[in-house]
Amino acid sequence: DVVLTQSPATLSVTPGERISLSCRASESVDTYLHWYQQKPNESPRLLIKYASQSISGIPSRFSGSGSGTDFTLSINGVELEDLSIYYCQQGNSLNTFGAGTKLELK
Amino acid sequence: QVQLQQSGAELAKPGSSVKISCKASGYTFTSYDISWIKQTTGQGLEYIGYINTGSGGTYYNEKFKGKATLTVDKSSSTAFMQLSSLTPEDTAVYYCARDVPLMDAWGQGASVTVSS
Repeated sequence: DVVLTQSPATLSVTPGERISLSCRASESVDTYLHWYQQKPNESPRLLIKYASQSISGIPSRFSGSGSGTDFTLSINGVELEDLSIYYCQQGNSLNTFGAGTKLELK
Repeated sequence: QVQLQQSGAELAKPGSSVKISCKASGYTFTSYDISWIKQTTGQGLEYIGYINTGSGGTYYNEKFKGKATLTVDKSSSTAFMQLSSLTPEDTAVYYCARDVPLMDAWGQGASVTVSS
């Protein structure tokens, strides 16, 4: 199975700052890498598809990049409503998820 | 709009089975697979498998073979997951999601608690 390693596990943020979250795959997944946001007591929500493609209704401050084994989710100007857990998921070979990165308030 | 409505919380005894439902609306049900995902309290997401809603064909993560059984009722646009031989390790929230083939819509989750 493809293992996805997300870092950091927890990130303390200040509203307004630009941040980057990492997702590294144990083997190439091309661009079959998607990002999800999960707020407390809610279902996950698709944020970015195929590494860098935007999703309708998702704020433009969210962006993704990468291919192969290294991927990044960026938030340009973190807002309080972004305090959530972020998961990456690969669909290149038998779907797997990363362990998540939790954004918390500094 | 696309909606997936899951059945309610379940309290089950060890060794028993439960069957969770996921009713789809807002799109042509048989056009997309339905995937199932497990989330234990405070833990991440674990992929269980998917069902092709048109053919009924299934794929299971090796870990869940023998534990989960996926079925579908096309007449009611509903997917089901049965969990058998329950143990406390099966206590979790279970999500269904439309798989297009990424998971672009999720149900609200069904809580399963296994306790004697």
